[in-house]
Amino acid sequence: GESVGLHLPTLSVQEGDNSIINCAYSNSASDYFIWYKQESGKGPQFIIDIRSNMDKRQGQRVTVLLNKTVKHLSLQIAATQPGDSAVYFCAENNNAGNMLTFGGGTRLMVKP
Amino acid sequence: EAGVAQSPRYKIIEKRQSVAFWCNPISGHATLYWYQQILGQGPKLLIQFQNNGVVDDSQLPKDRFSAERLKGVDSTLKIQPAKLEDSAVYLCASSPGWGQGDTGELFFGEGSRLTVL
Repeated sequence: GESVGLHLPTLSVQEGDNSIINCAYSNSASDYFIWYKQESGKGPQFIIDIRSNMDKRQGQRVTVLLNKTVKHLSLQIAATQPGDSAVYFCAENNNAGNMLTFGGGTRLMVKP
Repeated sequence: EAGVAQSPRYKIIEKRQSVAFWCNPISGHATLYWYQQILGQGPKLLIQFQNNGVVDDSQLPKDRFSAERLKGVDSTLKIQPAKLEDSAVYLCASSPGWGQGDTGELFFGEGSRLTVL
């Protein structure tokens, strides 16, 4: 299928290693953040979210860290698997217009 | 539970022609969004509906793009006339609503890929 992210920053990791994908957001008023995963030819799929009153949230194999001081968000994937290969987007919302603004995305490639 | 349905999945047209995309959101979802995703970029919001009313269309190129959600359920996005730079994937998303306690998670369809020649 056609790639979603031909010109995106790429992170290449070995299967079984941990992955860290970073995102800088721009709006200090944003109070809600989501990480989405997008596989080729598909729509974005929700992974995990975090509100601004938290600095860490864990899911199954994934952890999101939020640093409001430097407006930085990261997604950590433990024991990365080939099925994790996709483009990952962070999105922010300031709850004013109920709109999500997406970042530019990072392409994760998992080497077997 | 059925997801967000979009059609057509693929469309190829020549510039200055018109095209329409259809979206059926998840049943019961009050909010519907249309996003444009150009290859290599993140999705960009075009328009947001709450039931059958427009919440935000500030980034919709209104000289050529139009969208409606007349009965507050399914929606149509139209482009007329199309330009080369309109080549993109048009993603529809829905959410139950937005308020205290809502997660804000958007549920996306698989998108309609438009190629303008």
